[in-house]
Amino acid sequence: GNSVTQMEGPVTLSEEAFLTINCTYTATGYPSLFWYVQYPGEGLQLLLKATKADDKGSNKGFEATYRKETTSFHLEKGSVQVSDSAVYFCALSVTTDKLIFGTGTRLQVFP
Amino acid sequence: DTEVTQTPKHLVMGMTNKKSLKCEQHMGHRAMYWYKQKAKKPPELMFVYSYEKLSINESVPSRFSPECPNSSLLNLHLHALQPEDSALYLCASSPPDRGYNSPLHFGNGTRLTVT
Repeated sequence: GNSVTQMEGPVTLSEEAFLTINCTYTATGYPSLFWYVQYPGEGLQLLLKATKADDKGSNKGFEATYRKETTSFHLEKGSVQVSDSAVYFCALSVTTDKLIFGTGTRLQVFP
Repeated sequence: DTEVTQTPKHLVMGMTNKKSLKCEQHMGHRAMYWYKQKAKKPPELMFVYSYEKLSINESVPSRFSPECPNSSLLNLHLHALQPEDSALYLCASSPPDRGYNSPLHFGNGTRLTVT
């Protein structure tokens, strides 16, 4: 079946540290991959996406590369800020209308 | 600011009450979704409407009744809920030319508490 596995959180970092949140997937066919972010008290926002192998999605300093050989889509940022504290969800889609989410990873950034 | 608007932001209801959650978008999106999110969990799909017709019902109990009056509005009618139905209810929409690589646009949700 189709599934997404994310690293357990919380991830706790100091401001300006390097961030990696691991995400691997299992899918039949050729999925599209997404990272969504959920700030406290809010809904989910699309952070970035990639639709085919070797695509790199990027937004707000975050990046993720669609790696078919390792079935991974790890999220990275070179220098995190306190305002990046949120829950990050990796997700995949292989059909219209169904988005399959990972369990989410909470990021806490301290000054 | 989100382009998908949900009301109310918070709702407390008793197990015998009837209430409705509302969702509105004016982006011309033709697919609309209801998700349920429990604390520290990912969202779970409940219903999908495509061009105002119900296309997916993820075996949701009948105490949840969706309605799509037009392409901009989506309602979720609630009746005889249980305390375990307390959660954040999220509405989402996606563009009319959606393929499976189209992202969803989420509202900020309604925080529901059933007493």
